[in-house]
Amino acid sequence: KAGVTQTPRYLIKTRGQQVTLSCSPISGHRSVSWYQQTPGQGLQFLFEYFSETQRNKGNFPGRFSGRQFSNSRSEMNVSTLELGDSALYLCASSIRGAGTEAFFGQGTRLTVV
Amino acid sequence: GESVGLHLPTLSVQEGDNSIINCAYSNSASDYFIWYKQESGKGPQFIIDIRSNMDKRQGQRVTVLLNKTVKHLSLQIAATQPGDSAVYFCAEKYSGGGADGLTFGKGTHLIIQP
Repeated sequence: KAGVTQTPRYLIKTRGQQVTLSCSPISGHRSVSWYQQTPGQGLQFLFEYFSETQRNKGNFPGRFSGRQFSNSRSEMNVSTLELGDSALYLCASSIRGAGTEAFFGQGTRLTVV
Repeated sequence: GESVGLHLPTLSVQEGDNSIINCAYSNSASDYFIWYKQESGKGPQFIIDIRSNMDKRQGQRVTVLLNKTVKHLSLQIAATQPGDSAVYFCAEKYSGGGADGLTFGKGTHLIIQP
């Protein structure tokens, strides 16, 4: 079956702009979690959506937001981009939630200039 | 919050040898652990998981050992192959509550020498 699909794969944005990233989970998975990966901080949890509701949230500013649709696809939005937001953004899907077996997409590489 | 750490940033092994990657965690309440493999340009790939009611779990060429007494997790890879070259992350989770998803360690870069 198809894996987790993230689009776009690469993105270049200017400081101050906003960006929307998309994630399509594995069919049948209702949980989508988002992570930010940087060389300095490693993989850090952003938030988790389950059945269209945000269930968990990491320690990121309010500029980072997300949503989930009825088909479990999820979007992540970052407003007022900063240089430090440059990172690989990963989403992971699982059947029941972030504490169970999670499968990652290939990520979206965001570069803020 | 508490975080998971790894003992070594880089591990170099000969092809065909066994590899052991270690991970220390600090949250004694964590009850679920996963090992991921991340190759360059790709997302983390699930390898194996273990719950705190077990101390050992085996997969194909991989074994995860959990020592709750010293809060230590290890991943053993048998007969290491060139395709095993990657960064390996351990992740932990307390499933009983809290607002966090998986907490990841910094990663160990496994290098396979021919």
